[in-house]
Amino acid sequence: GDSVTQMEGPVTLSEEAFLTINCTYTATGYPSLFWYVQYPGEGLQLLLKATKADDKGSNKGFEATYRKETTSFHLEKGSVQVSDSAVYFCALSNFGNEKLTFGTGTRLTIIP
Amino acid sequence: DAGVIQSPRHEVTEMGQEVTLRCKPISGHDYLFWYRQTMMRGLELLIYFNNNVPIDDSGMPEDRFSAKMPNASFSTLKIQPSEPRDSAVYFCASSSPDRGSQQYFGPGTRLTVT
Repeated sequence: GDSVTQMEGPVTLSEEAFLTINCTYTATGYPSLFWYVQYPGEGLQLLLKATKADDKGSNKGFEATYRKETTSFHLEKGSVQVSDSAVYFCALSNFGNEKLTFGTGTRLTIIP
Repeated sequence: DAGVIQSPRHEVTEMGQEVTLRCKPISGHDYLFWYRQTMMRGLELLIYFNNNVPIDDSGMPEDRFSAKMPNASFSTLKIQPSEPRDSAVYFCASSSPDRGSQQYFGPGTRLTVT
């Protein structure tokens, strides 16, 4: 079945550091890929997505590129801020299915 | 447009009591999902509906849990009887194929069973 593996947390960085959160997936067909973010006390919200190979999703300074050859969708940001502290989830949907398969989440803490 | 609405936001109950969580999806969305989130188990999909019909309830932990969607604008998740291990944050989400599988999450209901 489909699965998503993302790097274990927690991740702690200083403000303005470069961020990478790794995500790899296993799926048949051509899944759509997502990054969701969960701020403290809130529900998940979509951060960015990509629907086909080589697409780059971007939002709020975050980027992720759909790499079919390495089955990866790593999240990056060039300079993180304290306000980026949250839990980040990688996810996929397949065969036009509205159901999402989520990774376990990575807790990110940015210190001033 | 209002987002996904969940009520109550917090619920504290005693073991053995019935608990009902409520969700109003975004208007026009025809998929509705119920999730549970705990520190130990992470985010788990419990059940989801399409056009008010349950499609996959394989994540429902046991018979104490039940979910209904009587119409397109309302769903309930019921736990009867509740147990301390049911303590978690329960999220409802909705989506529409027109939006490419993007799910919109509600703020969650934090359930504490003592």
